[in-house]
Amino acid sequence: DAGVIQSPRHEVTEMGQEVTLRCKPISGHDYLFWYRQTMMRGLELLIYFNNNVPIDDSGMPEDRFSAKMPNASFSTLKIQPSEPRDSAVYFCASSLRGLYNEQFFGPGTRLTVL
Amino acid sequence: TQLLEQSPQFLSIQEGENLTVYCNSSSVFSSLQWYRQEPGEGPVLLVTVVTGGEVKKLKRLTFQFGDARKDSSLHITAAQPGDTGLYLCAGERAGSYQLTFGKGTKLSVIP
Repeated sequence: DAGVIQSPRHEVTEMGQEVTLRCKPISGHDYLFWYRQTMMRGLELLIYFNNNVPIDDSGMPEDRFSAKMPNASFSTLKIQPSEPRDSAVYFCASSLRGLYNEQFFGPGTRLTVL
Repeated sequence: TQLLEQSPQFLSIQEGENLTVYCNSSSVFSSLQWYRQEPGEGPVLLVTVVTGGEVKKLKRLTFQFGDARKDSSLHITAAQPGDTGLYLCAGERAGSYQLTFGKGTKLSVIP
């Protein structure tokens, strides 16, 4: 079975440009999470969806960040305009509602903003 | 303020040695998970512990949840180079379907 798929794996862009990160969760999973990982702050939750509906976006750092989940098999995280401090690895994870929130992570997108 | 504190941050040991890493908090968790992350990859779930005092074993890895469900430890016996990676603990609080992650312990096992 395919795991969580993210694209692109690497993205290098210039400050001010729009960046779109993509995620395909595991089929049948009803929760989707977007995280950002940096050396300084570790793994931080940005936003999560349940059945395609955003539940908590309190981790989104600024209005420059937005996320959508138009259907059960696709989600995007957009940064517009991008800034050098947005450089990080962005992970998407999905889970199936059960007794415990056991999450399956994608391989991540390494974003570098110059 | 980091909700989950992991220690040590970095650990470098020789193959065959034993080690323990810790995950501590002042908060109570309904469950606690341990993940391992290798370079260039996403975290992979190793185990979930849910009951205070619970001990789970996964081959040479032993996980323990504190009696008060505020802390956890991971003990590795006879470490191997394949154990190298970033070990993350993550807690879920009752009523919240979110995980809070510690910053991790970066383990290097030298052949």
